[in-house]
Order: sequence, then C-alpha cells, then structure tokens
Amino acid sequence: DTGVSQNPRHKITKRGQNVTFRCDPISEHNRLYWYRQTLGQGPEFLTYFQNEAQLEKSRLLSDRFSAERPKGSFSTLEIQRTEQGDSAMYLCASGPNEKLFFGSGTQLSVL
Amino acid sequence: GNSVTQMEGPVTLSEEAFLTINCTYTATGYPSLFWYVQYPGEGLQLLLKATKADDKGSNKGFEATYRKETTSFHLEKGSVQVSDSAVYFCALSGITGGFKTIFGAGTRLFVKA
Repeated sequence: DTGVSQNPRHKITKRGQNVTFRCDPISEHNRLYWYRQTLGQGPEFLTYFQNEAQLEKSRLLSDRFSAERPKGSFSTLEIQRTEQGDSAMYLCASGPNEKLFFGSGTQLSVL
Repeated sequence: GNSVTQMEGPVTLSEEAFLTINCTYTATGYPSLFWYVQYPGEGLQLLLKATKADDKGSNKGFEATYRKETTSFHLEKGSVQVSDSAVYFCALSGITGGFKTIFGAGTRLFVKA
C-alpha cells in the first residue's frame, strides 16, 4: 500500500523547542496539503503545495510555522518555539485533483 | 467568508434507522462539495462528492444532493449499520482564488445494534 505516510506518529516536546514533521505523499500526486485538527473540530487548513511551489498559506499561520516541499516529493512542516496552543493533530493530504487522501497524522503534545 | 456548517453531534441511532446529517455552506464561486468519513483509529477518507448544482453523490448506500438554492449538501442513508459508526465531515473546495478544502466541525454517529 502506498498511501500517505506521516512521521512521527506522536511527538512530545517542551514549550520553546522546535519540531519538524515529515509527510510522504502518494508518489503521483502533485498536490500536497497540511492541516491541523484539534479535538472535536474539523481539519483546519495550513498550507498548500502544487509540486514544489507553495501556492497558498493560511492567514492564521504564525511565522513560527514553515513548510517545504523540495523537488515536489516529500514535505516537511517545522514549528519553531512551540507553544502549548500548538498541541494538535497535524494532518498531511495529497491528491491528483481536489480529492484528498489523508495520512494518519502526527499528534503533537507541547508540555 | 467561505465556511461549512454541519449539525452538532453526537447522533445516536439504532441499526436500520434512517440517517440524515445536515450540512450548509457559504462560498464564493462554484465550489465542489464533499463528505469525508473518519472511522475509529483511521484517517479521513472521501465518502462521496458532487461538483455542480443538482448533482447527487453516492457511495456505500450514502447519498447527498448539491442544492444551490438552499446552499446545502445533506448526507442521507436509508438503513444504517453498526459499521457506519464514525465521524462525518462535510467539506467544500474550488472557491474563487483558492486551492484549499474547507471542512465542517464533524458529526459523530453512533449506531447501536
């Protein structure tokens, strides 16, 4: 099965530390999205890549968040100087079009 | 702004009951509409979609019709099973000038045997 893969599955960090998550999309998908989800809420859009180009970012996204997709393959999401409010499930999705295929997510806990 | 509103849960039904989960939207342009489902312990997956007004999306016995006049995309199933217990998310994409898919808050469904 070559679904969307995210690593790590869980990350516990202390406030102020930097964290980086990785997403490996389905290989033939040129679209890649990052979302954040908290308990009882739907996924909240963070950013979108088409191939290697970052074409859209949420206006709510703090400058502590940065994402890359070098060569249009895997993607990384980095959060600098983490805060307790960053605790959430971070989801990656890819797609050939507007249909999204989601990974299982990375659960971040900031202590 | 662009948004999706769906009925609050949880919704609890007995097996073989009729299901309706309401969803309304606000959007610029001509969005596509989706229902995604998240089964316990699994990631979100697409359940069905409709791309233009009056289209009906269907899958696994679930149906939803794109109603432009009421800006709605209600999810229905005639006879639910225990295995349908999950969280259901209504979503839209294709808004003017944007690439993102916008999700509702989700509705949790419990089906009792």
